[in-house]
Formats: sequence, C-alpha cells, structure tokens
Amino acid sequence: AQKITQTQPGMFVQEKEAVTLDCTYDTSDQSYGLFWYKQPSSGEMIFLIYQGSYDEQNATEGRYSLNFQKARKSANLVISASQLGDSAMYFCAMREGLGGYSTLTFGKGTMLLVSP
Amino acid sequence: NAGVTQTPKFQVLKTGQSMTLQCAQDMNHEYMSWYRQDPGMGLRLIHYSVGAGITDQGEVPNGYNVSRSTTEDFPLRLLSAAPSQTSVYFCASCGQMNTEAFFGQGTRLTVV
Repeated sequence: AQKITQTQPGMFVQEKEAVTLDCTYDTSDQSYGLFWYKQPSSGEMIFLIYQGSYDEQNATEGRYSLNFQKARKSANLVISASQLGDSAMYFCAMREGLGGYSTLTFGKGTMLLVSP
Repeated sequence: NAGVTQTPKFQVLKTGQSMTLQCAQDMNHEYMSWYRQDPGMGLRLIHYSVGAGITDQGEVPNGYNVSRSTTEDFPLRLLSAAPSQTSVYFCASCGQMNTEAFFGQGTRLTVV
C-alpha cells in the first residue's frame, strides 16, 4: 500500500483563486511529520510547510496552509490567492517514527497550472 | 549561505562507466539522504546516513554505493552505470529537529 497518495495528477486554477491539493497518508505510528515541497520547472525542491502529528493547529506559511485532518489521515495543501509563479509540481511527503531520524516518503506529485 | 551543494548538475555516462555524485552541506546536519526522481514516481530513497560512518539502504539501493567519512560530505557512487539509472538525483540533509529537509539542486544523469 502506498504511504502517501496524491490523487490529482494535475490541477488548474485561475490567478488569484484559492486551490487545494490533496494528500492522504498511511501510517501506524503516533509520531510523524508531513511536508509539502514545490518543484518548479527549473527542478529544485523547495520546502513549503511542515505539520507534526501532535501539532494541534494547522500549519501556515504565508499563502500556504496545511489542512490537517488526523482522523481522516489527510494533509491537504491550500494555496490562497494563486499566482502565476505557483505553477509547479507539488509533492507531499511523510516522516515516520519517534525520535531519531527517519527518511521522507514522497507521493507521486500534483502538477499545478495557474492561468491568468 | 550555500546549504546543500550537489555536483555535477548534468552528466552523461556510457553503460558500464562509474562515477561519483558529490553532495556537501554546510549546516552541520547529521542526517543526509540520496533520492532519485523518475517521471510519475515521485522521489524514491536510495541510501541515507544518520552520521559520519553510518549509512543504510533505502528503497532502491541496487547499483549504488555510499560512504560518509565526514559530517559535511555524502557522495553517491554508481559502480557500473546502466540505462535504468537515467534519472534526476537529489541529495538532502536534515537537522535533528527533523522538521525540514534541505535539498540540493539535483543532478540530471543520462546513461546511454
């Protein structure tokens, strides 16, 4: 079973509108972290936002917010007021485990296109 | 403010050749990883390290070798390149808080 599922291969949104990119995850750990990364056409991986499993508030970073629904195991990324520069591939990722170090498991990504 | 530096950015190899992808970080991070990215597959873990002298295999380790002699450097070696290793490779490092992983710029490798 996939640990991270991104069901939207592609999304289209008009400039200035909000968009939600879906991410569901599968883990039996109580302690885990969820990440979103942006990959523009230039190829680099840009960290956007992080949510810990014990965080009670949804994470926010500027125009990005993470809609964390623990019971449903979903961690959707919400981008408010889309901009043309938001056009990119977006990856959801998860880190599992208590303490120590654990690596990231990535979803397959969602391509977002923002039109004028 | 270098962060994670990967070299080279692009590389073409012939089948059977060997090469080393370099990765260096200047943030004194203990944790470093190598991923490969293929179309429609997301990023998959090749190898990782939790500190100097300690490495372990990820999801797709075959055909790759790593070592970690210093905190800063985590090179990835392709022992005998195959066309199936054509991919984009990313190195990442992470601090102890584990709340953010910093990625290098990526290396686009083509094996012909």
